[in-house]
Amino acid sequence: KNQVEQSPQSLIILEGKNCTLQCNYTVSPFSNLRWYKQDTGRGPVSLTIMTFSENTKSNGRYTATLDADTKQSSLHITASQLSDSASYICVVSAYGNNRLAFGKGNQVVVIP
Amino acid sequence: DTEVTQTPKHLVMGMTNKKSLKCEQHMGHRAMYWYKQKAKKPPELMFVYSYEKLSINESVPSRFSPECPNSSLLNLHLHALQPEDSALYLCASSLDLSGGELFFGEGSRLTVL
Repeated sequence: KNQVEQSPQSLIILEGKNCTLQCNYTVSPFSNLRWYKQDTGRGPVSLTIMTFSENTKSNGRYTATLDADTKQSSLHITASQLSDSASYICVVSAYGNNRLAFGKGNQVVVIP
Repeated sequence: DTEVTQTPKHLVMGMTNKKSLKCEQHMGHRAMYWYKQKAKKPPELMFVYSYEKLSINESVPSRFSPECPNSSLLNLHLHALQPEDSALYLCASSLDLSGGELFFGEGSRLTVL
């Protein structure tokens, strides 16, 4: 079973609208959680990285939240732009384990 | 410089060819990684180098041979590949293996004919 589950699998939104992506994980003991943006055929680019003590972190129009008690994270995109069309990947790291756990990604398509 | 540079960006090779993918970073990172990514799938870890020594090999077939000549360079030597090895190969680096931020390169798109 995948240790990182993301939903929705894919999402179509109108330009200018907001959206929220979800990430649930079972990785333990938790070290940190990262959100990456990956354009088709390109390498992932880091958006945020959060540790156990951080509840929210912003990077421009991207805001990530973390609830380490319920093992849930969300990525909120505000005022979406066409360039936000990409796959958003949730990645969780465990203490003492060099292998990161990747979610399958949320595929976001922004339409005019 | 926060870049991980991969070359070539695209590679087409036959099953009998020998080729190499290259990765370079100048951030002083001591951990470097190779990932394989198929379309619409998350990256899959192949190899991890820490301080120029192979730390993790995720049971990758021997037709993939990694090499870390120095702390800034990481190569992936390819020989006798199969068509199912066609994928995006991503190199990444981090300061060390303590769980800090992972920086990815743009990837090398490999097609095996």
